[in-house]
Amino acid sequence: DTEVTQTPKHLVMGMTNKKSLKCEQHMGHRAMYWYKQKAKKPPELMFVYSYEKLSINESVPSRFSPECPNSSLLNLHLHALQPEDSALYLCASSLVGLVSNEQFFGPGTRLTVL
Amino acid sequence: GNSVTQMEGPVTLSEEAFLTINCTYTATGYPSLFWYVQYPGEGLQLLLKATKADDKGSNKGFEATYRKETTSFHLEKGSVQVSDSAVYFCALEAAGNKLTFGGGTRVLVKP
Repeated sequence: DTEVTQTPKHLVMGMTNKKSLKCEQHMGHRAMYWYKQKAKKPPELMFVYSYEKLSINESVPSRFSPECPNSSLLNLHLHALQPEDSALYLCASSLVGLVSNEQFFGPGTRLTVL
Repeated sequence: GNSVTQMEGPVTLSEEAFLTINCTYTATGYPSLFWYVQYPGEGLQLLLKATKADDKGSNKGFEATYRKETTSFHLEKGSVQVSDSAVYFCALEAAGNKLTFGGGTRVLVKP
């Protein structure tokens, strides 16, 4: 299984809603990532988890709250988002510690904040 | 800091034409270099990679050679198909599992 799955595929939420994005992989990867991608731009790294511990937080606003409950799952909890947070949210996973770790990306969740 | 610069698109080609997308980088140390492709409505897929100078990555008819002397990793394909229409991202990884992406190049192949 060389797939990263993400749910939901699309999400529309209001600025007062609380929602969560889910990411799952069964490749035995111990590094997992959240990226944000705006239209016609490259992905921007948000968070990195290594061995289920948060290792990188790229100064992301606290309205985004990541969680890694186990080595296969990664969640992104959303609360009080702004319309400018509308984007494609990509999850990725990789091995840890080796040179040139290929990151495997999921298909993304397209988020619209009204 | 690390950075990747790639040619701006869109690049519009006819089927069976030769494709080149230029990519240059700035990095400390000895980065690994990647090309990712993103088809419409999808996530990113690794197209090819190279981990050291003079390595050539290749996949699906695409090739790129890691040139340390010119800090470049240009992507080439000899004969493109309509199905190659996508956005291509050059990226580097210098340390700590952190990818640095170029701005992306949109390629449109017309029949």
